[in-house]
Formats: sequence, C-alpha cells, structure tokens
Amino acid sequence: KQEVTQIPAALSVPEGENLVLNCSFTDSAIYNLQWFRQDPGKGLTSLLLIQSSQREQTSGRLNASLDKSSGRSTLYIAASQPGDSATYLCAVRQMDSSYKLIFGSGTRLLVRP
Amino acid sequence: GAGVSQSPSNKVTEKGKDVELRCDPISGHTALYWYRQSLGQGLEFLIYFQGNSAPDKSGLPSDRFSAERTGGSVSTLTIQRTQQEDSAVYLCASSSQGSHNEKLFFGSGTQLSVL
Repeated sequence: KQEVTQIPAALSVPEGENLVLNCSFTDSAIYNLQWFRQDPGKGLTSLLLIQSSQREQTSGRLNASLDKSSGRSTLYIAASQPGDSATYLCAVRQMDSSYKLIFGSGTRLLVRP
Repeated sequence: GAGVSQSPSNKVTEKGKDVELRCDPISGHTALYWYRQSLGQGLEFLIYFQGNSAPDKSGLPSDRFSAERTGGSVSTLTIQRTQQEDSAVYLCASSSQGSHNEKLFFGSGTQLSVL
C-alpha cells in the first residue's frame, strides 16, 4: 500500500530564506507526483506536476525534483516571502489506480516578515 | 465556469440529519473526484466519475455516503444520517479527460460540521 510522508510537518522561516520541503513515498510505481498549495479555508492549487520520466520542474521561484527510484521529491522555494505561507501537499498518482492521487499530510509553512 | 465551484462553503448540521454537497466542475471536464480532508489528516479519496463509465466508489467510508453526477457535469455527494466523525472538509476536483498525466483542479471545499 502506497504511503506518502511529508517532513517537516511545520516550518517557520524568516522572509528571504531559501527552503526545502520533503516528500517521500513507499511505492515507486507512479505515473507522476504533484505539489499543491492550500491556503486556510481554501481548496488546493496545483503548483508543479512532475512526470515519472522527469527529474525536475520549475515555475518561478519554485523548483520540484523527483527521484523515483529512491521514492523522494523535494520542493525548493527560493527567496521566500510572507505570501508563501500556506500548507504544501504532495501527491502521487499510482500506476495501479491511475485516477487516485495519494496525498501526504502536508507541511505547514510560515514565512515571517 | 472559470473554476471548480462547490456549495455550500460551510454546512452545520445535527447528528442524524442528511446533507447534500454540490460540485460544479470546470466546463468540459469529464473527470470528477471527491476527496475528504479531516482535521490534521491528509486527503482521503472518496469517489471518482469519468464520463459515462460506472463510478469508482471504492473510497466511500460507509453506505451512508452516496454520490451522483447528472448529465456528466454537476455532482452531488449525499451523506445520510450524519455522524460527528463525518465532520471534515469535502473537496471536489475535476480534470479534462481523466488521464493520469493531467493536473487536478480543486474547488474551495465544503466545511461540514456535525454537532
């Protein structure tokens, strides 16, 4: 059974710092991995989607990497801003149930001004 | 529409009552998903609709939960005889064709509180 783990559960950093969020998964038979952002009381916003054949994806100050063989992904946020404060979730789409995303519990990020 | 729309945004109900949650997916999207997010938990898959195919109901936690998707568009999630453990945020998502390579687009969710 696929298990997705995110570390740390919470993170507080001063504005301007670069930071890394971690996601690990136990079953490497995945189609892709997706990073989402969730603001309080809001739904999820897709940030980056990495296909299983890719190593990384970039969007602005965000860079996501994927090492499928080791079951790990990282989300790198450069020059963090208070507006980046949110919960970040990773999710994998498994090859044995391609329509289901299996989510981690998220990392709650606070960027202090 | 421009995005996935869910209503109501908040619902408070008494234990034992039935509730209906509505999801209006992005226009033209054939795939629709329901997820549940309990306090401090990750998202839990509930049900998946793809076009005219039979839905995958494997994630529904009990027979008190059911969902319909009429005309391939709007979906309603119904919870009968609500229990306190049903309190959660219910999130709906849609994608263009249900391909495994597509991004999912989520609504803002319905916060359900069962007293």
